[in-house]
Amino acid sequence: KAGVTQTPRYLIKTRGQQVTLSCSPISGHRSVSWYQQTPGQGLQFLFEYFSETQRNKGNFPGRFSGRQFSNSRSEMNVSTLELGDSALYLCASSSLGQVQGHGYTFGSGTRLTVV
Amino acid sequence: EDQVTQSPEALRLQEGESSSLNCSYTVSGLRGLFWYRQDPGKGPEFLFTLYSAGEEKEKERLKATLTKKESFLHITAPKPEDSATYLCAVQGYSGGSNYKLTFGKGTLLTVNP
Repeated sequence: KAGVTQTPRYLIKTRGQQVTLSCSPISGHRSVSWYQQTPGQGLQFLFEYFSETQRNKGNFPGRFSGRQFSNSRSEMNVSTLELGDSALYLCASSSLGQVQGHGYTFGSGTRLTVV
Repeated sequence: EDQVTQSPEALRLQEGESSSLNCSYTVSGLRGLFWYRQDPGKGPEFLFTLYSAGEEKEKERLKATLTKKESFLHITAPKPEDSATYLCAVQGYSGGSNYKLTFGKGTLLTVNP
């Protein structure tokens, strides 16, 4: 069974540019979440999607956005990149996102560096 | 707002030296408490979910326990391959807690041979 696939693995962008990251969940999983991981702040929740609907959003500026497609694949976009956006962006999927707590399976992440 | 505090930040053990990691939390109605392991350059790997106080789960050399305010990850006779960052996270029931995990900053465990 294939795991959560995130592309690309590494990305270098210049300040002011925008970037799109992709996540393919485990087959059959309908819940996809995104997290930002930095050494100083740890893992912070960005947003969660279930059946193409955003159900929860973290405390990030509007430059961070996402969407989910009918096949459950998800993308997140960051516009007007800032140096502080450099981080590991992690995607997680779950088959029971709607039910009482269950383990989320994480991908290996996309390492974004903003220069 | 949900909060998770992990201690210690770093722990160095000799192979075979058992110890415990602590996770203190506050959450508005606990839906689940999660333990993950993260190796350098990789995403977190799911270990356990605990749902209510008094619950315990075991996997190989790891045992997780839960009270109303904290969780412990006990590591018995660790091996060098247990070296990793261990992350604790909570998911709540109400409002902004739904459908998201709030993580602690992790404990970096190093097991020397």
